[in-house]
Amino acid sequence: QQQVKQSPQSLIVQKGGISIINCAYENTAFDYFPWYQQFPGKGPALLIAIRPDVSEKKEGRFTISFNKSAKQFSLHIMDSQPGDSATYFCAASKGYNFNKFYFGSGTKLNVKP
Amino acid sequence: DTAVSQTPKYLVTQMGNDKSIKCEQNLGHDTMYWYKQDSKKFLKIMFSYNNKELIINETVPNRFSPKSPDKAHLNLHINSLELGDSAVYFCASSGGRVDEKLFFGSGTQLSVL
Repeated sequence: QQQVKQSPQSLIVQKGGISIINCAYENTAFDYFPWYQQFPGKGPALLIAIRPDVSEKKEGRFTISFNKSAKQFSLHIMDSQPGDSATYFCAASKGYNFNKFYFGSGTKLNVKP
Repeated sequence: DTAVSQTPKYLVTQMGNDKSIKCEQNLGHDTMYWYKQDSKKFLKIMFSYNNKELIINETVPNRFSPKSPDKAHLNLHINSLELGDSAVYFCASSGGRVDEKLFFGSGTQLSVL
């Protein structure tokens, strides 16, 4: 049973466009929600993370929007660039569970020049 | 200077063989992990060690045995390899608190023929 559901599976965006990836979770005990970026042949790397006490977090062109009542969160990539082409994973963890992250299934983003 | 390094990067072997993957981190972290990424890119935690002590042990066949000789190293030994073990195995480390980010190695692509 997948604890975090992610969509879409793949995404094609034109350079300069906005990329949006969505995640949903069921377990209300989750209290930390990171996004990881993975390039081919590399391990995932933390991109940005949010806690449920805020509804939005922005770092440069990357923004997480969080909707606690809907149990959903999303990653927005503004002014998408070809260098953003990668696989993106959302994740969630419970505060007492020592970094046991449940990952979404990943979204392969392709930004066309 | 690689933070989390794992070897080998590629491992091709026959069914029934025993193989090991090694992981080392130079970040001074207390906690290390093994994650498995299947062909659909789904990331799932297998094991976690904190200061050489096993703290997370997911439902993994007992053919998989992690070993942590010290807190900077976490190796994964796999006995009697099966076709279904083919995947990318990632080592990761973190400071261990719930919102400490995971630092991943670059992965070991295991192919069982």
